Amino acid sequence: QVQLQESGPGLVKPSQTLSLTCTVSGGSISSGDYYWSWIRQPPGKGLEWIGYIYYSGSTYYNPSLKSRVTISVDTSKNQFSLKLSSVTAADTAVYYCARERSEASRYFDLWGRGTLVTVSS
Amino acid sequence: QSALTQPASVSGSPGQSITISCTGTSSDVGSYNLVSWYQQHPGKAPKLMIYEVSKRPSGVSNRFSGSKSGNTASLTISGLQAEDEADYYCCSYAGSSTPVVFGGGTKLTVL
Repeated sequence: QVQLQESGPGLVKPSQTLSLTCTVSGGSISSGDYYWSWIRQPPGKGLEWIGYIYYSGSTYYNPSLKSRVTISVDTSKNQFSLKLSSVTAADTAVYYCARERSEASRYFDLWGRGTLVTVSS
Repeated sequence: QSALTQPASVSGSPGQSITISCTGTSSDVGSYNLVSWYQQHPGKAPKLMIYEVSKRPSGVSNRFSGSKSGNTASLTISGLQAEDEADYYCCSYAGSSTPVVFGGGTKLTVL
């Protein structure tokens, strides 16, 4: 079955850029039925949607993060990636990649296990 | 786009029923039948429990049900079990400019 796996550094220094990759296995990222999303959860807090990308490269970002976020897709590797620039301690969170059903039905039906990213010098 | 409003906590005894509310606005919950609910156990990823307001994915117990009235969606869990103790998050489509908005989460305690 389809699985998602996040990867990337667990520690990032303040003002630097956080970079994570999500690898999709067991299925194709080029399916037109889904958006590929990043969602984060600060320790002890709720979920915050960061943004998503369609296999064609179209992106949508949370307006509160839009100036610092870039999401890209590599269909040849079946991966999509997140870059968050100028990070501060407030960006410390568990970062999840997730698959969102697109078009008429919008819900996250598949999640990665999440990866903790700590922003600290 | 503001987060959807959920109670911080709810509790119930085994066998009882509880309802978690999720209040949005006419721009999100009130405009679209695209509310979903997620269960999250400590240290785990969220799990889809309800989508499109009231539909259950395959494998989710029929003890979980969803509904919506106006700008407020609700998740009801009947026949509470110890394993239901978790955090629950609602989520709604909110239009093309900010497609996704989450609730702040509700901690369910099974007494």
